[in-house]
Amino acid sequence: AQKVTQAQTEISVVEKEDVTLDCVYETRDTTYYLFWYKQPPSGELVFLIRRNSFDEQNEISGRYSWNFQKSTSSFNFTITASQVVDSAVYFCALSEGDYGGSQGNLIFGKGTKLSVKP
Amino acid sequence: EAQVTQNPRYLITVTGKKLTVTCSQNMNHEYMSWYRQDPGLGLRQIYYSMNVEVTDKGDVPEGYKVSRKEKRNFPLILESPSPNQTSLYFCASSPILNVDYTFGSGTRLTVV
Repeated sequence: AQKVTQAQTEISVVEKEDVTLDCVYETRDTTYYLFWYKQPPSGELVFLIRRNSFDEQNEISGRYSWNFQKSTSSFNFTITASQVVDSAVYFCALSEGDYGGSQGNLIFGKGTKLSVKP
Repeated sequence: EAQVTQNPRYLITVTGKKLTVTCSQNMNHEYMSWYRQDPGLGLRQIYYSMNVEVTDKGDVPEGYKVSRKEKRNFPLILESPSPNQTSLYFCASSPILNVDYTFGSGTRLTVV
């Protein structure tokens, strides 16, 4: 069965600290997709990144970076030099299968609430 | 601007009074879905639609209906709302499965 675990419920850091949000997933499919979404206090869900199971390259986008390791079923997210505007709930999500065999159901972790203090 | 629009943003209603939450996307996306977000439970899929006139149940469909008569719209219907349907609802769309899902701004529903 698919499952996404975000073990860190809440993290609090001081501005300019680096912070890593952990995500561990479970799936039996060989084809799957991993996502990170940000939910700021205003409530909307903002797409950050999508990775497919065949692409283990790490990605960097400005202060954000993602480390995908199939060997440990993890897809961790690091924010470098955190800022107050990074304060939000961050969700990791998993979707299985290809077009013909999946309902496109995003299985979300329970989220990690990040608070960045000035 | 490419977006998914949900209405209303906030709604308080009484038990049993039928309501519809609208969802519209302007990106010509084939795939649309509905999620509900509850504290401690995260987000769970209610219904999804692969294309016009093609809809199917997600993980928590009980008490909900949907329709997809045209590509851009995917309304969520609560025929007889109950307090356990108090939640934050999100509509999402994507061109096809498993690419970038765009979410609406959410609808906070309270059923008293």
